[in-house]
Amino acid sequence: QQQVKQSPQSLIVQKGGISIINCAYENTAFDYFPWYQQFPGKGPALLIAIRPDVSEKKEGRFTISFNKSAKQFSLHIMDSQPGDSATYFCAASIRSSGRGSTFGEGTQLTVNP
Amino acid sequence: GAVVSQHPSRVICKSGTSVKIECRSLDFQATTMFWYRQFPKQSLMLMATSNEGSKATYEQGVEKDKFLINHASLTLSTLTVTSAHPEDSSFYICSALQANTGELFFGEGSRLTVL
Repeated sequence: QQQVKQSPQSLIVQKGGISIINCAYENTAFDYFPWYQQFPGKGPALLIAIRPDVSEKKEGRFTISFNKSAKQFSLHIMDSQPGDSATYFCAASIRSSGRGSTFGEGTQLTVNP
Repeated sequence: GAVVSQHPSRVICKSGTSVKIECRSLDFQATTMFWYRQFPKQSLMLMATSNEGSKATYEQGVEKDKFLINHASLTLSTLTVTSAHPEDSSFYICSALQANTGELFFGEGSRLTVL
């Protein structure tokens, strides 16, 4: 049962370009939508997160766009850099449930120099 | 951000032995911690929810007698893989829930290799 679907599976972007990763969810009770960045052999690190009462959140080069009616959210990485090359996971959770987040399948991003 | 420490980062053991992995939240008290398993190039799969002072809640398909979880204090949860077999080889990752923000902070992961 995959409640969070993520695409694309892999993405190759040139340095300076915009990387866009999309996620769609099914459970309308989700109220917390984080994005994680994971480097090989390391645990995921929280990148940016959004709650459903806002449509966009920006932190530096990273922006989350959230569409509640479509049950979709996306991560935009502006001015992508080779150091951004990593696997990105979207996730969703119900904060009051005390349960772990449900993760998307992951997107392997490669930023070419 | 908050720090979650996981130990050991790598462990190699013989088939049939048991391995314990520790997860500590270093700068906040975590009544709830989670254990995930990740196979190469795949997503994180929630194994169980660990609640301080009570029994862990296991996800469907996860053997509770194989993966023993203990959350004896507000800063420590342990996962013990009992009678490990090669198919238990995986990357195990813990996370701690910071209750006031709802944010999850992850450990660095533990790579288990069972020979």
